[in-house]
Amino acid sequence: DTEVTQTPKHLVMGMTNKKSLKCEQHMGHRAMYWYKQKAKKPPELMFVYSYEKLSINESVPSRFSPECPNSSLLNLHLHALQPEDSALYLCASSQVGQGRRDTGELFFGEGSRLTVL
Amino acid sequence: DAKTTQPTSMDCAEGRAANLPCNHSTISGNEYVYWYRQIHSQGPQYIIHGLKNNETNEMASLIITEDRKSSTLILPHATLRDTAVYYCIVRGRRGTGGFKTIFGAGTRLFVKA
Repeated sequence: DTEVTQTPKHLVMGMTNKKSLKCEQHMGHRAMYWYKQKAKKPPELMFVYSYEKLSINESVPSRFSPECPNSSLLNLHLHALQPEDSALYLCASSQVGQGRRDTGELFFGEGSRLTVL
Repeated sequence: DAKTTQPTSMDCAEGRAANLPCNHSTISGNEYVYWYRQIHSQGPQYIIHGLKNNETNEMASLIITEDRKSSTLILPHATLRDTAVYYCIVRGRRGTGGFKTIFGAGTRLFVKA
């Protein structure tokens, strides 16, 4: 199984709503990532988890709250978002990077397209 | 991590080789060159990576200059399905905190029939 599964594929929410994006992988990867991608722009790194601990936060506003409940799951909790937060949210996973056999390849999901009204 | 420079867009005829250049003049000795592509409305897909030797896999070839300041991704027989944005990324490979993979603007490749 070389898939990263993201749900939901589409989400529409109001600025006062609380919602969550979910990501799951069963490749035994111990690093997981959230990226945000606006139309016609490259993906922007938001968060990196390694061994279920937050290792990188790229100065993301607190209305985005990541959570890694176990090694296979990664959530992104959304609260009080703004219309400019509308984007494609991509999840990825990889090996952590300790062994010579680690390729450093990131495996991406298909993304969750978020619209904030 | 070193910054990369790529052309904004390129055209290629179907069946011909597509050669996508990337400049990374500030690359350091322990940094690798990675290539990903993103087909419209899909997540990025890993293509290939290398340190200093040329690399080949079933998708593409990667040619890295001897001074490592630039590289070229070669798709030997481009098809319409290769139309995508291609990203060249330079970063280290070792670390226990995951890989800080930063995407630049990339090259939009159009393969034409």
